[in-house]
Amino acid sequence: QQQVKQSPQSLIVQKGGISIINCAYENTAFDYFPWYQQFPGKGPALLIAIRPDVSEKKEGRFTISFNKSAKQFSLHIMDSQPGDSATYFCAATRGGFQKLVFGTGTRLLVSP
Amino acid sequence: KAGVTQTPRYLIKTRGQQVTLSCSPISGHRSVSWYQQTPGQGLQFLFEYFSETQRNKGNFPGRFSGRQFSNSRSEMNVSTLELGDSALYLCASRKGQHSTDTQYFGPGTRLTVL
Repeated sequence: QQQVKQSPQSLIVQKGGISIINCAYENTAFDYFPWYQQFPGKGPALLIAIRPDVSEKKEGRFTISFNKSAKQFSLHIMDSQPGDSATYFCAATRGGFQKLVFGTGTRLLVSP
Repeated sequence: KAGVTQTPRYLIKTRGQQVTLSCSPISGHRSVSWYQQTPGQGLQFLFEYFSETQRNKGNFPGRFSGRQFSNSRSEMNVSTLELGDSALYLCASRKGQHSTDTQYFGPGTRLTVL
């Protein structure tokens, strides 16, 4: 019940295209869903996050869509750029010193 | 504002040895968490400290331990190293315990056990 399932494992998108990464969770106690971006040799960095009372959140080219009834959420990267090539992790957590539960990661490659 | 710093960045040890990793959180952050990242298991939670007290612990053997000092700096120790302990160890800091308190990660310490 603590798992977060993420797909696809890897993704190749042409420059200017839309990258879509999907995640699903089981634990309905989760109340915060962040996405992290990780470049080689670096630690994960927060990209965008959403709470379950919101169905969509957009920050620049990055959008999270959240479907509470289906217990699914996804990251959309519009106008994907080669600089977006990185590994993306979805995560879920709840308050009270609860850990971040991470998905397995998606390696995104944006071809020029 | 300086980010989370971790030392050393790289470490090579042999089986049976022990190792201590250090983490300095962002100024003002009182919570420090540790995660292990491996290609096979992904990002796994080790433990979280807040105000020098361990608040949560992941599913790792007792060989993995940690502590936090009064200045919020944290160390983690792994004793009797095994080959499977080779991983990137990440430290993350945040202000408090709320789920929306963003966790900021350091660059990690790459531990190789030979």
